[in-house]
Amino acid sequence: SSELTQDPAVSVALGQTVRITCQGDSLRSYYASWYQQKPGQAPVLVIYGKNNRPSGIPDRFSGSSSGNTASLTITGAQAEDEADYYCNSRDSSGNHAVVFGGGTKLTVL
Amino acid sequence: QVQLVESGGGVVQPGRSLRLSCAASGFTFSSYGMHWVRQAPGKGLEWVAVIWYDGSNKYYADSVKGRFTISRDNSKNTLYLQMNSLRAEDTAVYYCARTIPCTNGVCYDAFDIWGQGTMVTVSS
Repeated sequence: SSELTQDPAVSVALGQTVRITCQGDSLRSYYASWYQQKPGQAPVLVIYGKNNRPSGIPDRFSGSSSGNTASLTITGAQAEDEADYYCNSRDSSGNHAVVFGGGTKLTVL
Repeated sequence: QVQLVESGGGVVQPGRSLRLSCAASGFTFSSYGMHWVRQAPGKGLEWVAVIWYDGSNKYYADSVKGRFTISRDNSKNTLYLQMNSLRAEDTAVYYCARTIPCTNGVCYDAFDIWGQGTMVTVSS
């Protein structure tokens, strides 16, 4: 099975822009999706596909991809954006399995 | 409103079995692929299994293959996860999640609706 690699922790100053990355071979063939998870809560989908936001997700969240790397960008980070962020995609082995990245803890300073 | 509610978690001894349920409401359950995702205490998300909208196909993570079985009853709007031969490393919060609808014929491996999770503890 394939793997997705994320930086364990990232910090950003309030109001600044931060990019969270996700690397893996499967991203050469499949889009990544991104989830936000706050303590004690279920994950929430924030970005999927090329750069799609579900209803209710602020437009400061955006996604992009190049080669084997997908990125989640938060433009003008807010205090409420402090959370764990996970990427996922289809497993590249072709067996319809799904794989998650290890997660990135975002701290808003 | 659109909702998923898991149940069936608890404390179980190693080697025993447990069945989780996920009750869906507020949407046409029979039209969506469904997943189980778990999260061990203090750890990241781990995908467990998927079942297609009509139950025709099922796929599993290597870590649970041969021990866990995903199923659904579309007449009851309910998803299940039968867990056999449980191990300590299966201890986790188990979430059910819905595959996001396809858009303009394009489908994604994204989960747009999640339940609140049910805790499974495997311990003697």
